[in-house]
Amino acid sequence: DARVTQTPRHKVTEMGQEVTMRCQPILGHNTVFWYRQTMMQGLELLAYFRNRAPLDDSGMPKDRFSAEMPDATLATLKIQPSEPRDSAVYFCASGSLRSGGLTDTQYFGPGTRLTVL
Amino acid sequence: LAKTTQPISMDSYEGQEVNITCSHNNIATNDYITWYQQFPSQGPRFIIQGYKTKVTNEVASLFIPADRKSSTLSLPRVSLSDTAVYYCLVGRGSQGNLIFGKGTKLSVKP
Repeated sequence: DARVTQTPRHKVTEMGQEVTMRCQPILGHNTVFWYRQTMMQGLELLAYFRNRAPLDDSGMPKDRFSAEMPDATLATLKIQPSEPRDSAVYFCASGSLRSGGLTDTQYFGPGTRLTVL
Repeated sequence: LAKTTQPISMDSYEGQEVNITCSHNNIATNDYITWYQQFPSQGPRFIIQGYKTKVTNEVASLFIPADRKSSTLSLPRVSLSDTAVYYCLVGRGSQGNLIFGKGTKLSVKP
């Protein structure tokens, strides 16, 4: 059963430190999404890639967040420097166009729970 | 992007049918309607997708009226394990992003 994997599952760090989260999309999927979830804001789309090219990162604070796909099997989300308000669960999802449809079906990973002290 | 409106929460009992309605008044011609389910401490999971009329799979049914300004997710005979947050999304993921709203928190009681 193919799944999206994310590492680390939990991360506690101090304000100002760099944080890197990794995602391995499902093999063969050509779209990767990064989301952030908090109680207050719910699920927010930060960025997404198609065929490794960034299509939209308007949801991401540009000054401290960066997202990349070094290759088709790895997506990274980096925060530098981290701040307490970045504390959230970060989800990666990979997608494929549904047969006969025009909307990606997104398969979510288990998430990385980030706590910035 | 089409905005969606759905109830914040719903309560039900085991064995009942649950219908969750989502409003999307400004849905575009090419938009699809997709529902996701999220359990605590997990990522959302795709449930069902449709464009018009009725779609049914092994988990749920999706009813979409002719004007497509709303849709109803129907869960037959819910169990305790159906307690989750259900999200309604409208859009074309291949052309842009899909916006997750606050979702509907469904609580199933014994």
